[in-house]
Amino acid sequence: DAGVIQSPRHEVTEMGQEVTLRCKPISGHDYLFWYRQTMMRGLELLIYFNNNVPIDDSGMPEDRFSAKMPNASFSTLKIQPSEPRDSAVYFCASSSRDRKSYTFGSGTRLTVV
Amino acid sequence: QKEVEQDPGPLSVPEGAIVSLNCTYSNSAFQYFMWYRQYSRKGPELLMYTYSSGNKEDGRFTAQVDKSSKYISLFIRDSQPSDSATYLCAMSVVGAGGTSYGKLTFGQGTILTVHP
Repeated sequence: DAGVIQSPRHEVTEMGQEVTLRCKPISGHDYLFWYRQTMMRGLELLIYFNNNVPIDDSGMPEDRFSAKMPNASFSTLKIQPSEPRDSAVYFCASSSRDRKSYTFGSGTRLTVV
Repeated sequence: QKEVEQDPGPLSVPEGAIVSLNCTYSNSAFQYFMWYRQYSRKGPELLMYTYSSGNKEDGRFTAQVDKSSKYISLFIRDSQPSDSATYLCAMSVVGAGGTSYGKLTFGQGTILTVHP
């Protein structure tokens, strides 16, 4: 298995632009998570899905952030409009009901200038 | 107060040393405990997990949970330069039937350097 695949690996964009981050979970996993990691705040859960349905989006910082999971093999996290304070590493993770399988992708490093 | 507290370090030790990493937590509903290792510019990878109080050993790694004190530890024996990474503790509640809710709450991470 190729693991959790995220794209792009790096993204540099100008303030005000729309940014879309993509994630392909591990086949067979029915949970998908989006996290954000910064030096100041550490690793924070933004939103998670179970069987493609959003379960908890209480970590989404603002209405500028949205996430979708149109099918079991694909999810997007969108920021519109982006701001410099959104600069961080965004991780996607997937898991089966057995938490031992919780696996992170390599992350997308976002820089908003 | 954060739900999970972890000393960010950094921690620097010589090769072969025993390393002790710790987290405290405030939410008594946490029942599932994990340790992740994160190398620079990589995603976290699961090292160890446990449900219960007591010790769990895997090779050079031992995870210890003390629910009465709300305190967990990770010990690394015979530390190697390849162990240099950030170590994150993570916790979650456990739902009915042994399943767990999706949310993991992470500590800040401790940066460890093992020098030859």
